[in-house]
Amino acid sequence: DQQVKQNSPSLSVQEGRISILNCDYTNSMFDYFLWYKKYPAEGPTFLISISSIKDKNEDGRFTVFLNKSAKHLSLHIVPSQPGDSAVYFCAASGDGGSNYKLTFGKGTLLTVNP
Amino acid sequence: DTGVSQDPRHKITKRGQNVTFRCDPISEHNRLYWYRQTLGQGPEFLTYFQNEAQLEKSRLLSDRFSAERPKGSFSTLEIQRTEQGDSAMYLCASSLSLGLAGVETQYFGPGTRLLVL
Repeated sequence: DQQVKQNSPSLSVQEGRISILNCDYTNSMFDYFLWYKKYPAEGPTFLISISSIKDKNEDGRFTVFLNKSAKHLSLHIVPSQPGDSAVYFCAASGDGGSNYKLTFGKGTLLTVNP
Repeated sequence: DTGVSQDPRHKITKRGQNVTFRCDPISEHNRLYWYRQTLGQGPEFLTYFQNEAQLEKSRLLSDRFSAERPKGSFSTLEIQRTEQGDSAMYLCASSLSLGLAGVETQYFGPGTRLLVL
């Protein structure tokens, strides 16, 4: 049972435009959400996180939005750059009061075209 | 600043053989995690350590798997009698827990890619 879902396996955008990556979750116990970026042959790299008490967190070109009632979050990248091309994973923690175990989605492959 | 390192980066073995992977976390981090990632999936939690104590093991971790962190620094993950289904990327991560509420950022190593023939 997939508790964290990334329903778009891939996304292609033009350089300079906005990239929007979506993530849905089913477990209402999750209270922290994170986005990781992964290049081939490397481990995931932390990008940005958000607590369930917030609805937005911004860091440079990256903004994460959380809609708790819809159990939905999204990552916005503006402007998109070719170096952003990677697999993006949404992850959640806090299930059962634990803040250590991350539950990941399957990832979305972002391609930013020059 | 040295990140999380893993050794080896790649391992090819025959079914039935034992393999051992090593993870060196970021030096001041007291928590260490192991995840497994198969093709087309996100990383799946296997186990984690707080210092040298192994505090949780996923049901994914069969009795052929054993992990240790003997001195609260590096960790090893051993798979005995490997099966083809064990083929995956094994990722190690570490974090600093201060006992406070909130999410701890986990920093991942490059992974060990295992292929069981």
